[in-house]
Amino acid sequence: EVQLLESGGGLVKPGGSLTLSCAVSGFNFSDAWMTWVRQAPGKGLEWVGRIKSKTDGLTIDYAAPVKGKFTISRDDSKNTLYLHMKSLRTEDTGVYYCTRETTPPTDDWGQGTLVIVSS
Amino acid sequence: DIVLTQSPDSLAVSLGERATINCKSSQNLFYSSNNKNYIAWYQQKPGQPPKLFIYWASTRESGVPDRFSGSGSGTDFTLTISSLQPEDVAVYYCQQYFTFATFGGGTKVEIK
Repeated sequence: EVQLLESGGGLVKPGGSLTLSCAVSGFNFSDAWMTWVRQAPGKGLEWVGRIKSKTDGLTIDYAAPVKGKFTISRDDSKNTLYLHMKSLRTEDTGVYYCTRETTPPTDDWGQGTLVIVSS
Repeated sequence: DIVLTQSPDSLAVSLGERATINCKSSQNLFYSSNNKNYIAWYQQKPGQPPKLFIYWASTRESGVPDRFSGSGSGTDFTLTISSLQPEDVAVYYCQQYFTFATFGGGTKVEIK
């Protein structure tokens, strides 16, 4: 059974930093391309960024609003995906989901972790 | 960047009636090498992650009722619920996976 479990969310002050984790099981994580998607409260889904597998060059791509602020990384030995966020603003508030990127998509999503940026 | 524009933002349909959601892409999502359209549809209910319903524009994910169908090609796509059921109340999103991934703004489906 595929499982993706996000953690690390919480309340952070504007300008602060936070690192999210996504622990994966049920598929070969080291071969997977992994993606972060976020959702502001009451709003739609927003692609945050993606990291390819090591065999595909570990290329990382980011959405324009987070480029330079967010860093995606992975630890294949721990089957874990990370999202390090800095210089956080109120508009970064939302639920952050990790997903496995495949073509076509598969229904592999975590339950999400809530990040609240507020003073 | 590819922009997906969904319409309407919300719609209310009577039980048993048809619901139609549109998704227009700013770029062609049809890849001629494999004759496929790189678009998917998701259903999301409150407090839950999105659930994949359709991919390749018209292929239903396993377990998705056949009252859900996807159609379209190129830049214009449609998700149709042929006979709305109470459990279909949700927000529906289109997603392109032609270049990275972007989502439409969502369409909220309610019971009239």
